[in-house]
Amino acid sequence: QVQLVQSGAEVKKPGASVKVSCKASGYIFNSYAMHWVRQAPGQRLEWMGWINIGIGNTKYSQKFQGRVTLTRDTSAKTAYMEMSNLTSEDTAVYYCARDVKRTISTWGQGTLVTVSS
Amino acid sequence: QTVVTQEPSFSVSPGGTVTLTCGLSSGSVSSSHYPSWYQQTPGQPPRTLVYSTNTRSSGVPDRFSGSILGNKAALTITGAQAEDESDYYCVLYMGSGIWVFGGGTTLTVL
Repeated sequence: QVQLVQSGAEVKKPGASVKVSCKASGYIFNSYAMHWVRQAPGQRLEWMGWINIGIGNTKYSQKFQGRVTLTRDTSAKTAYMEMSNLTSEDTAVYYCARDVKRTISTWGQGTLVTVSS
Repeated sequence: QTVVTQEPSFSVSPGGTVTLTCGLSSGSVSSSHYPSWYQQTPGQPPRTLVYSTNTRSSGVPDRFSGSILGNKAALTITGAQAEDESDYYCVLYMGSGIWVFGGGTTLTVL
């Protein structure tokens, strides 16, 4: 079955960077794009961007353009989300989710990133 | 910037029917926005309920249905159960590779 397993929780200081991984299994990794979505505590879901796994091109929400980088390693069947210059407002659960026909479909379990001095 | 709107909260009686909506601050929602609906309980990732306006995900009970009502996307729960008490989110594809989530609706079943 389709499964997305994300890396563990992170604690970072303000100004630091974080890189979250999302390992895929149960499907042909190269054939589906991957979305990244975050959710701050008690807040709504927020779409961050997506990456075409096959060719590697990306699209970002304007809010995250320039501060978030989405990449993938096709040999490892893993997608990555890296965010730089963290502030306390970036404290959130970060999700990866597979795209199927323009649907944000199967979700990872989420990775909590805490930014605190 | 276009905002996706949802009712902040809704209440339904057990066995009742409720329709949650997903609109745009400017313009109408259509099938070309590929509206999808998600259910989320505290501490859990979202669960995909309905996609492409009205297609139920595998394993989703048929009491959940999606549609376009007027100028909004809609999620109808027919015969609500206690376990349906959750947050519900919609997302719309805005074109040019951009998606936007709504603010979510907290559904109470009482």
